[in-house]
Amino acid sequence: AQTVTQSQPEMSVQEAETVTLSCTYDTSESDYYLFWYKQPPSRQMILVIRQEAYKQQNATENRFSVNFQKAAKSFSLKISDSQLGDAAMYFCAYRSPLRFNKFYFGSGTKLNVKP
Amino acid sequence: DVKVTQSSRYLVKRTGEKVFLECVQDMDHENMFWYRQDPGLGLRLIYFSYDVKMKEKGDIPEGYSVSREKKERFSLILESASTNQTSMYLCASTSQRGSLHFGNGTRLTVT
Repeated sequence: AQTVTQSQPEMSVQEAETVTLSCTYDTSESDYYLFWYKQPPSRQMILVIRQEAYKQQNATENRFSVNFQKAAKSFSLKISDSQLGDAAMYFCAYRSPLRFNKFYFGSGTKLNVKP
Repeated sequence: DVKVTQSSRYLVKRTGEKVFLECVQDMDHENMFWYRQDPGLGLRLIYFSYDVKMKEKGDIPEGYSVSREKKERFSLILESASTNQTSMYLCASTSQRGSLHFGNGTRLTVT
């Protein structure tokens, strides 16, 4: 099975600063999708950003951007101008189109934002 | 917007009880999933379904079963609840190439 690794269980960032969350994955597939999800204390999982593996360009969504390194199997999330509302658990996920569209998740990174 | 609704936000059950967790989505998605979320372990896939009456085991199916009689509904069944099944349960759905849409979770406590 594909594995997704988030090596940072917890991180902290000062409000208005930039933080980068790391994610690596293991796969032999060439076509796949990668995602970052946010889970605030309300528990609702929210999609932050997605990346198709065939696209060279890194995805961006407002203050959120990714650094996708396909050869290195790395998919980090950068949050710019951090806000208090960014405090949450962040999960990296891999989707395999070849395996019944299964999603594989990392163990999560808890992000604290200090005022 | 896609809506995935889980029938209960909190449940408390006794050991040995049969437990039903219900999930309904309103976007005609083919694929539906049940995950279990525990601290430090992320989300682990219990079962998923890619069509009505079709089901596949995930990574931790032991002690669970599922039912998908209608496209919009995917039920998770704990045949005989045990204390090690105390957890957060998340239902999700997706189209063939989309992202996952989640319900807001059911926190199950088995005493």
